[in-house]
Amino acid sequence: GAVVSQHPSRVICKSGTSVKIECRSLDFQATTMFWYRQFPKQSLMLMATSNEGSKATYEQGVEKDKFLINHASLTLSTLTVTSAHPEDSSFYICSASGGSQETQYFGPGTRLLVL
Amino acid sequence: GNSVTQMEGPVTLSEEAFLTINCTYTATGYPSLFWYVQYPGEGLQLLLKATKADDKGSNKGFEATYRKETTSFHLEKGSVQVSDSAVYFCALNPSSGNTPLVFGKGTRLSVIA
Repeated sequence: GAVVSQHPSRVICKSGTSVKIECRSLDFQATTMFWYRQFPKQSLMLMATSNEGSKATYEQGVEKDKFLINHASLTLSTLTVTSAHPEDSSFYICSASGGSQETQYFGPGTRLLVL
Repeated sequence: GNSVTQMEGPVTLSEEAFLTINCTYTATGYPSLFWYVQYPGEGLQLLLKATKADDKGSNKGFEATYRKETTSFHLEKGSVQVSDSAVYFCALNPSSGNTPLVFGKGTRLSVIA
């Protein structure tokens, strides 16, 4: 199956710093990538939809200036958590799909801890 | 609107027991249906899918049948193993394009030896 990677897998940072998370589709071109956030023992919450070469579409309640998303190529999307605070600590997961495929392939997730 | 409802866990089973995790959905149109599995500390892995009514998805001994008449996609496995312990998510894609999945809340399965 299709492979999606995320980097880093785990990051600890100080409050006020920015953190960039990369999501890559390794063996297919992802026209669309999705960013999710997952709190402990809960389901995934969609944050934004990212289409290559265009601005991301954010879900209601997600601050676009805080969670910057860039999808500059068909294999890479980045999520930057700006001026991170402890409440931003979470598990961030990306998924990718290509062309007309309805199947989404998920990355392994990035665990962010803001101290 | 579109929604997915799955049985609440946790579900605890003995090894070799039969597993059923119920999933029902509400959708306009003809969604595709999925089961994803999440092992501790990891992302989601696609377990199986079905794209139209009466399709049966199967993988690793798990199977689920797309039942349009009951709007259901229940996950079953005849004999679970300890290694099946994970969280299982039922999801739908409301269209054939690149649209976000709609997830159920997840069901945690623990299999004990």
